[in-house]
Amino acid sequence: DAGVIQSPRHEVTEMGQEVTLRCKLISGHNSLFWYRQTMMRGLELLIYFNNNVPIDDSGMPEDRFSAKMPNASFSTLKIQPSEPRDSAVYFCASSLEQGLGEITGELFFGEGSRLTVL
Amino acid sequence: AQSVTQLGSHVSVSEGALVLLRCNYSSSVPPYLFWYVQYPNQGLQLLLKYTSAATLVKGINGFEAEFKKSETSFHLTKPSAHMSDAAEYFCAVSVGDMRFGAGTRLTVKP
Repeated sequence: DAGVIQSPRHEVTEMGQEVTLRCKLISGHNSLFWYRQTMMRGLELLIYFNNNVPIDDSGMPEDRFSAKMPNASFSTLKIQPSEPRDSAVYFCASSLEQGLGEITGELFFGEGSRLTVL
Repeated sequence: AQSVTQLGSHVSVSEGALVLLRCNYSSSVPPYLFWYVQYPNQGLQLLLKYTSAATLVKGINGFEAEFKKSETSFHLTKPSAHMSDAAEYFCAVSVGDMRFGAGTRLTVKP
């Protein structure tokens, strides 16, 4: 079975542009997580979904960030407008969770999308 | 709120030496605890998981971790380091959502 697939792997854009990161979950998984990794702040949970429903979005930095799950196997993370401080590696992870809102299982990570905002 | 603290951002050991990576957690209820490993330019992979079934948890690649409630610790060990163990290691806690520690970079010297 294919793992979590993220695209693009690398994105370089200019400040003010819209950025869309994409993630395909592992088939059969019902939970989706977006993390951001930087040297300064480490791994930060941005948002996670369970059965397509956003459970916790308290980590989303501000209104410029939005995440959606248009269907059970796909998610997007959008930044509009982008700023240099958004430069980071963005990871998507999926898992199969039994209970609503409680993470008890293994998270399977994609290889990440490295974003550079100039 | 739950959190984890990893002591030491960088640990260096010689090949064949004991590996000890430290993690302390803070949680008001019994947590699920995890150790993940990240190799360069890759996502994180699960090493092992504690879910209260046993205090000593064995994981992949010869790693194990012991849950000590009295010390609120979940340290990761491996008796003999291998060059291929060089990576970044993350402790994580889950009571609700999943929170990761700052990570410890392990270097293995020949």
